[in-house]
Amino acid sequence: DVKVTQSSRYLVKRTGEKVFLECVQDMDHENMFWYRQDPGLGLRLIYFSYDVKMKEKGDIPEGYSVSREKKERFSLILESASTNQTSMYLCASSPRTSGRTQETQYFGPGTRLLVL
Amino acid sequence: GNSVTQMEGPVTLSEEAFLTINCTYTATGYPSLFWYVQYPGEGLQLLLKATKADDKGSNKGFEATYRKETTSFHLEKGSVQVSDSAVYFCALSRYSGTYKYIFGTGTRLKVLA
Repeated sequence: DVKVTQSSRYLVKRTGEKVFLECVQDMDHENMFWYRQDPGLGLRLIYFSYDVKMKEKGDIPEGYSVSREKKERFSLILESASTNQTSMYLCASSPRTSGRTQETQYFGPGTRLLVL
Repeated sequence: GNSVTQMEGPVTLSEEAFLTINCTYTATGYPSLFWYVQYPGEGLQLLLKATKADDKGSNKGFEATYRKETTSFHLEKGSVQVSDSAVYFCALSRYSGTYKYIFGTGTRLKVLA
């Protein structure tokens, strides 16, 4: 079974703090993604990575950065947390098989972040 | 641009009722279509998918048919159970270096015993 784990289920931070959200997958997937989930907006893509040290902006990258130093780990960084970044953050991964990226994504349980 | 529209919830049904959750999309090209389910306190799980027009995805009694002529991918189940209570997301995939999803806003389903 594919397993995607996220470092925290719940996190409370103060405005201006630097926040790290960690995601680890154990299936050797090439592609990893960070989404945020907000009521009435569904899931929106923040950043994704298709290889170690490679990253691309998604639809809402402002205020976020990412790091992928190892294949299994993809970190989301909030350089200076703000209250409008209070949200549920979901990590996902997908494989590349025979050189072809597969469409199905596998999600972690999510981190609910509250910024006060 | 690409987008997914799904019916607003919550949808409240009695056990054994018939379920339909509507999903329509706009897209350039021919995307694959997905339904994901999120049970309380968990991440999203793939429920079913369809990769081309007229394909039917099915899993756990749920079905959805990729209808190109109506740009729809409605989710149906003949007899819901309390354990089906969850949030359901419709999504399409688009390729830009890798496959990325565009999600609908989600529909919460509550099934009462």
